[in-house]
Amino acid sequence: GAVVSQHPSWVICKSGTSVKIECRSLDFQATTMFWYRQFPKQSLMLMATSNEGSKATYEQGVEKDKFLINHASLTLSTLTVTSAHPEDSSFYICSATRDRGYTEAFFGQGTRLTVV
Amino acid sequence: AQTVTQSQPEMSVQEAETVTLSCTYDTSESDYYLFWYKQPPSRQMILVIRQEAYKQQNATENRFSVNFQKAAKSFSLKISDSQLGDAAMYFCAYRFNNNDMRFGAGTRLTVKP
Repeated sequence: GAVVSQHPSWVICKSGTSVKIECRSLDFQATTMFWYRQFPKQSLMLMATSNEGSKATYEQGVEKDKFLINHASLTLSTLTVTSAHPEDSSFYICSATRDRGYTEAFFGQGTRLTVV
Repeated sequence: AQTVTQSQPEMSVQEAETVTLSCTYDTSESDYYLFWYKQPPSRQMILVIRQEAYKQQNATENRFSVNFQKAAKSFSLKISDSQLGDAAMYFCAYRFNNNDMRFGAGTRLTVKP
């Protein structure tokens, strides 16, 4: 099966700093990547959809200036949490899909962000 | 808007027994995909089974099978011969065309030895 690698698995940062999370498709070209946020014991909430070479589409209520998404290549998307605050602490998960015709989304292992 | 509802926050099953997890969804589309994902304590999302809406036959993957009722917009997961390793959060998900997946709230499955 296709592999999506997310890095780092966990990160602790100080309040006010920025942190970047990478999502890579290792063995396929991902035309679309999705970023989710998951609070403890809750479901995955879509934050944004990222298409290679174009601006990300953010869900309502997600601050695009705070959560910067870049999809510079067909194998890499990054999520940067800018000026992080403790309320940004959460579990972030990316997923990637191949071109049309493939129904399944492949998930990274997630990143646990703790802002202190 | 498409929504996915899982009405069972928690379920429990005895090892080797069978358990069914419920899922309903709402959509106006006729061709879409449904999935069950498992999220163990590692939090890695693992695909359990998928169903194409245009297929009438229920999908089966070893001990996992679904009961897909398109008219009722119901998509339940049956786990047979439950094993301790099946303990996890299970998410029902819907996907239309090439769009993102929409997830239900999840069901936490406990397997008792």
